[in-house]
Amino acid sequence: GQNIDQPTEMTATEGAIVQINCTYQTSGFNGLFWYQQHAGEAPTFLSYNVLDGLEEKGRFSSFLSRSKGYSYLLLKELQMKDSASYLCAVTDSNYQLIWGAGTKLIIKP
Amino acid sequence: GAVVSQHPSRVICKSGTSVKIECRSLDFQATTMFWYRQFPKKSLMLMATSNEGSKATYEQGVEKDKFLINHASLTLSTLTVTSAHPEDSSFYICSARRASEDTGELFFGEGSRLTVL
Repeated sequence: GQNIDQPTEMTATEGAIVQINCTYQTSGFNGLFWYQQHAGEAPTFLSYNVLDGLEEKGRFSSFLSRSKGYSYLLLKELQMKDSASYLCAVTDSNYQLIWGAGTKLIIKP
Repeated sequence: GAVVSQHPSRVICKSGTSVKIECRSLDFQATTMFWYRQFPKKSLMLMATSNEGSKATYEQGVEKDKFLINHASLTLSTLTVTSAHPEDSSFYICSARRASEDTGELFFGEGSRLTVL
């Protein structure tokens, strides 16, 4: 079956760095997405990785290793507004998005 | 970037009535739109895939007669919750995929919070 695993919840301190991991087992792979979702709002796009390596975008970076079925989202210089759920999603061979359950990130002052 | 508009953002209705939620892609054509349901503190649950000009594909366990989906044009899909019950109260979100892209990136609507009394 298809499966995406990510931690349920993480806590970090304002100004620090946090890494949210995501592992996947899917039938085929056509890219991995990270979305941010604040409570009561729709998800917003953060990053897209289809090749191995690190993609940096401001305070957020996303890494992919296809051979390991592994990705992480790195958030630097954490701000209180970064408190949200972070959803990992993989596009399979049929370009269907498989969603992880999301990681709730709690930022403390 | 691509914009998807969802309306209404909040709706309260009585049990037994029907509610229609619209999802529009404002600046691009979307051959495929997706409807999700999200329970509190849970991830997105795909309900159905809506394809322009054809019948929607429903996920297992989703009642097609209860959740009517229509994708009449390349920019509009609607979800109608028929004979609503309190257990249908939830956050419903639509997303759209650009017709010209194969990356799978989705653009989300703002979501609609349905409360059935």
